[in-house]
Amino acid sequence: GAGVSQSPSNKVTEKGKDVELRCDPISGHTALYWYRQRLGQGLEFLIYFQGNSAPDKSGLPSDRFSAERTGESVSTLTIQRTQQEDSAVYLCASSLTAQETQYFGPGTRLLVL
Amino acid sequence: RKEVEQDPGPFNVPEGATVAFNCTYSNSASQSFFWYRQDCRKEPKLLMSVYSSGNEDGRFTAQLNRASQYISLLIRDSKLSDSATYLCVVGRGGRRALTFGSGTRLQVQP
Repeated sequence: GAGVSQSPSNKVTEKGKDVELRCDPISGHTALYWYRQRLGQGLEFLIYFQGNSAPDKSGLPSDRFSAERTGESVSTLTIQRTQQEDSAVYLCASSLTAQETQYFGPGTRLLVL
Repeated sequence: RKEVEQDPGPFNVPEGATVAFNCTYSNSASQSFFWYRQDCRKEPKLLMSVYSSGNEDGRFTAQLNRASQYISLLIRDSKLSDSATYLCVVGRGGRRALTFGSGTRLQVQP
């Protein structure tokens, strides 16, 4: 079946602009996660959605970052007033439930000039 | 202290070598354990789950030591294609998200 998909695959933007990144999880997966990975670094947890529960936003680095999820489907991660340090790969993952295997999308490579 | 700690490496080994990675976790209530693999500029993918009794998948063996709170991954007869970063992943159960270590980089050389 279809895996996790993300769009766009690459995004170049100017400092100060807003960007919106999209994630389509695997159908039926109740849990969805966003991570950030800077070049040569490990995964940095950003936010986690589980069903209809309030999202765990504990990893969001600043109030410029926000994410929404529509039911148990698509999620969007929004970065407002982008900064150069936001340049990274943004990875989305989904899992059947919170403790099960996470399946990752190919990521969105964001470059802020 | 990080919740999941790994030696970043790199581990440089010749083809055919046996290599082992360890990972320690800080929360004794952790309940689920995994190893993921991440190739350069690719997304992480599940390599194997880690069970209390230990488990093997071909050339890969994973062990869990709950008393010492560490997980190991052993790779036998290393192949060039094993070159990647290996991520240790721990879950605390319930509705909490999994926690990823920063990874150990392996480079298998001809």
